Amino acid sequence: NAGVTQTPKFRVLKTGQSMTLLCAQDMNHEYMYWYRQDPGMGLRLIHYSVGEGTTAKGEVPDGYNVSRLKKQNFLLGLESAAPSQTSVYFCASRRTGTTGELFFGEGSRLTVL
Amino acid sequence: DAKTTQPNSMESNEEEPVHLPCNHSTISGTDYIHWYRQLPSQGPEYVIHGLTSNVNNRMASLAIAEDRKSSTLILHRATLRDAAVYYCILKKGGNQFYFGTGTSLTVIP
Repeated sequence: NAGVTQTPKFRVLKTGQSMTLLCAQDMNHEYMYWYRQDPGMGLRLIHYSVGEGTTAKGEVPDGYNVSRLKKQNFLLGLESAAPSQTSVYFCASRRTGTTGELFFGEGSRLTVL
Repeated sequence: DAKTTQPNSMESNEEEPVHLPCNHSTISGTDYIHWYRQLPSQGPEYVIHGLTSNVNNRMASLAIAEDRKSSTLILHRATLRDAAVYYCILKKGGNQFYFGTGTSLTVIP
């Protein structure tokens, strides 16, 4: 099993450009999450989804949009990238239920110049 | 606002037990306590979780205070492969996992 796969793994953008990060999971998990991690900080929740067609805001949603058109995919979009969005982005998924653990991807490193 | 508080760093000698503390004074009755660890250049991986009672698994033990305002992750015999950042997390509302800033564990050979 591939688990949770993030693409791309690295990307450099100029300020104002747009891009989409793709997260794909093959475990038939209901829940999916996008986090960002900045140096010296833990992971902060951007958006999450509890099922196909649903999304919700996390701690730091501003400047990001998400979509969950298919159960296995969770897309994170930056419409107009800013240097403050330079970060490592992690996607995670988990099954339903109170004891489901998070499975993370390997991360996507984004630099905005 | 920080939901969990952990020491920034800790050191342990190899093959000795390690106790990693976490404070979560604002925990609610339905919040689960999760621990994850992150190796360099990797995504976090699950270690253990609990609600009220102490928990054991093949990786570690989790000791939860009676008032649930603090918990301790116990690695029984630290190995060099256990060097990582350990995150104490509250799972709130059934869906949302809030990470703290984590404890960077150094294992000394």
